[in-house]
Amino acid sequence: KAGVTQTPRYLIKTRGQQVTLSCSPISGHRSVSWYQQTPGQGLQFLFEYFSETQRNKGNFPGRFSGRQFSNSRSEMNVSTLELGDSALYLCASSLISGREQFFGPGTRLTVL
Amino acid sequence: EDQVTQSPEALRLQEGESSSLNCSYTVSGLRGLFWYRQDPGKGPEFLFTLYSAGEEKEKERLKATLTKKESFLHITAPKPEDSATYLCAVQKSLASGSRLTFGEGTQLTVNP
Repeated sequence: KAGVTQTPRYLIKTRGQQVTLSCSPISGHRSVSWYQQTPGQGLQFLFEYFSETQRNKGNFPGRFSGRQFSNSRSEMNVSTLELGDSALYLCASSLISGREQFFGPGTRLTVL
Repeated sequence: EDQVTQSPEALRLQEGESSSLNCSYTVSGLRGLFWYRQDPGKGPEFLFTLYSAGEEKEKERLKATLTKKESFLHITAPKPEDSATYLCAVQKSLASGSRLTFGEGTQLTVNP
């Protein structure tokens, strides 16, 4: 069974730009969560989507948004990028909301 | 506020030297505690879920236990390939969905 895939794996952007990251969950998994990982803050929850609806949201500004499609694939968008948005963005999927989550390899975003 | 604290921050062991990693938590209404392993440049790999005090789970050289205030990850006769960062995370309640609060991790190095 294929694991969680994320594209792109690496991304370099400049301040003020926007970016869209993509995540394909494990086949059959309906819940997709996004996390930000930085050396200073560790892994922090961004939001969760289940059946195309945002189920939970972490403490991040409105510049961070996401969506989920009918095939459970998910995208997250960050608008007006700031230097502090440089991080590893991880997507995780689970069969249903609240069950064990399986992570993808992440997208390394660098903001210059 | 939910808090997860892992100790030690870093641990160096000789091959075959058993030890334990600690994860203490303060959260009201714990639903589940998760252990993950993360290798450099990769997403976290799921290891265990523990749901109630007294529960234990094992996988190869790893054994996870849970009390009402902390969890331990015991590593028996570790090998160099066990070197990784071990992350602990808590899930607060069913209403939290897949939202996990992570600790900062313990970086384990096993020398041959």
